[in-house]
Amino acid sequence: QKEVEQDPGPLSVPEGAIVSLNCTYSNSAFQYFMWYRQYSRKGPELLMYTYSSGNKEDGRFTAQVDKSSKYISLFIRDSQPSDSATYLCATDTGRRALTFGSGTRLQVQP
Amino acid sequence: DSGVTQTPKHLITATGQRVTLRCSPRSGDLSVYWYQQSLDQGLQFLIQYYNGEERAKGNILERFSAQQFPDLHSELNLSSLELGDSALYFCASSPRDWSSYNEQFFGPGTRLTVL
Repeated sequence: QKEVEQDPGPLSVPEGAIVSLNCTYSNSAFQYFMWYRQYSRKGPELLMYTYSSGNKEDGRFTAQVDKSSKYISLFIRDSQPSDSATYLCATDTGRRALTFGSGTRLQVQP
Repeated sequence: DSGVTQTPKHLITATGQRVTLRCSPRSGDLSVYWYQQSLDQGLQFLIQYYNGEERAKGNILERFSAQQFPDLHSELNLSSLELGDSALYFCASSPRDWSSYNEQFFGPGTRLTVL
């Protein structure tokens, strides 16, 4: 079983839609979770960071961690074509490194 | 632009060859991380250096090696290349040593194609 699993998509939504991106993780000891955004032919960039459980909001983006189900989510409100990218979840698995999900490709149609 | 530079952008080579990928971290960043991104394995951590010293190793093959120089730039050496080594190689940097909440800033990557 992979430590972090993510549906690869692609996910296609109309502009203005609410997008929900999800990952599951294997170990309840994981506490630090990140979402990275990767545009085509670019390196990943940190979007959101959360610790332990609960929600964190930043503009149109909300990151949510549900430790009871080992589920992390990223919600994008009022999605824009510029949000079209691959979204990677990541966590610290205790080995001094980030472990990434495989990424979900999102396409927001104008 | 993250401030991390990587050269070359693209590299095409043959099986059995050796290549060197170069990374210059953001000004002032002491940590450099190398990652490999392939379609089947996703983004995988290879190795981390902090201020010239190796600090952590991930899924790095023995055919691969890296180093960080006194000016803090880093090189990733890939030898005896195989078709399966074709991937995007990213370098990331951060100001301090590894910590879960230290943001890593990724470079634009080097696309390696092994024919």
